[in-house]
Amino acid sequence: DAGITQSPRHKVTETGTPVTLRCHQTENHRYMYWYRQDPGHGLRLIHYSYGVKDTDKGEVSDGYSVSRSKTEDFLLTLESATSSQTSVYFCAISESGSPEQYFGPGTRLTVT
Amino acid sequence: QKEVEQNSGPLSVPEGAIASLNCTYSDRGSQSFFWYRQYSGKSPELIMSIYSNGDKEDGRFTAQLNKASQYVSLLIRDSQPSDSATYLCAVNGGSGGYQKVTFGIGTKLQVIP
Repeated sequence: DAGITQSPRHKVTETGTPVTLRCHQTENHRYMYWYRQDPGHGLRLIHYSYGVKDTDKGEVSDGYSVSRSKTEDFLLTLESATSSQTSVYFCAISESGSPEQYFGPGTRLTVT
Repeated sequence: QKEVEQNSGPLSVPEGAIASLNCTYSDRGSQSFFWYRQYSGKSPELIMSIYSNGDKEDGRFTAQLNKASQYVSLLIRDSQPSDSATYLCAVNGGSGGYQKVTFGIGTKLQVIP
């Protein structure tokens, strides 16, 4: 998985609770991305980062926030989890100057 | 119209046959095109990138790009049961910017022994 880890790998949480997912890379790549994957929708971009403390929204950013305080770590936070945020979340990375993205192993999140 | 369209399948082919996976995209400014393979319960794995019109071959895989028709395809020769997976077409550039990639929903391929 190109030196990318995600934690936790599985999580069950209750509606209304905050949740933070972590993506860690050892490749020193500039760009990091958070996607969610749902049946019938494919992969959809939530947020991405183009450097430390530099982030931008994707197409499904409502209800999510991100932070990147170090090159290697990109955090995704669900401020108050809802059942519609039950999904598989993937982190991806890419080098500066290359559009090729490499994915982490994913986190399966269930909100009950 | 979806930005990247794929038939969700399943596409069933016998072992040893050629599997042909197709994808169309709507943004004429798109610059880079990718195929990812995703096994059930796993993450997407980049298997092919193509940037210019024509064919690109890598082992049993051939990616074909036709920008005029806004069409990308992936051919898998001598299909094996281990090729059974979902194949995601992805496109970047154009209005989304250089680093943003848009994915299709994927085509599920089943190779029958």
